[in-house]
Amino acid sequence: QFVLTQPPSVSGAPGQRVTISCTGSSSNIGAGYDVHWYRQIPGTAPELLIYGNNNRPSGVPDRFSGSKSGTSASLAITGLQAEDEADYYCQSFDTSLNGQGVFGGGTKLTVL
Amino acid sequence: QVQLVQSGAEVKRPGASVKVSCKASGYNFNQYVLHWVRQAPGESLEWMAWINTGEGNTKLSRNFQGRITITWDTSASTAYMELNSLRSEDTAVYYCARDSIYLYWYFDVWGRGTLVTVSS
Repeated sequence: QFVLTQPPSVSGAPGQRVTISCTGSSSNIGAGYDVHWYRQIPGTAPELLIYGNNNRPSGVPDRFSGSKSGTSASLAITGLQAEDEADYYCQSFDTSLNGQGVFGGGTKLTVL
Repeated sequence: QVQLVQSGAEVKRPGASVKVSCKASGYNFNQYVLHWVRQAPGESLEWMAWINTGEGNTKLSRNFQGRITITWDTSASTAYMELNSLRSEDTAVYYCARDSIYLYWYFDVWGRGTLVTVSS
C-alpha cells in the first residue's frame, strides 16, 4: 500500500482533458506539505512536471496544471496528445517514519 | 549542461553488496542535495536517502537503515550509495536525483538510473 493513493489508470481521447488524483492524509498533504508530479516514459528516468503544487518547470507546456486541497492533489492535462501517454507519479513529504519523501503508486495514462 | 551520470548495471548474488555512483556536472555539487530513489520492475518509486554534501549530513529511510551507506567525494563531485545484504526484492533501478539545498523535496534533475539485479 502506498502512502499517497493514485488511480492505477486513466484514459482519454486526443484533445480531451484528464485529471489524475493523489490522495494523502494528515501526515503529508493534509499537513501542508507540497505535492510534486513526475512523468515517466517506461525505460527512462522520471521527469519533473509540476512542483510546489502548481508550478511548472521551464519547458513544461501550460497544458499541465496542478492543484491541491485538503488531503488531496490533482494533476490536470488538457488538449491530450499521444505523447502524453506515460506513467505519472505524485510525491510529497510525510512526517511519519521519522519524516521522509513519499510517492504515489503511479497512474498509467492511455491516450485512446 | 546539468547532469547526473550514474555507474553501469550490476548483477549481484543474494547477501552481497552493491555500490552505485552518481557523478554531478554542470553545477556546484555542494550547493544542492542529492537523493537516492529506487524503482522495482513494474513498481512505483521509493525514496531511500538524501545527502547534503555542503553540510556533510545525510538522512536515511527507515526502510533501509542498517543496510545503506551514503558517501561522497567532493573533489570528484560524486556521490555513492552502497546497499548491503542484498536480497531478490532489491532488484530495481536505482536513481540519484537533485533537490534544492533547502530540501524542497522535488527533484529537477535525475540520473538515468542503474539497474541492480539480485539473483542466485
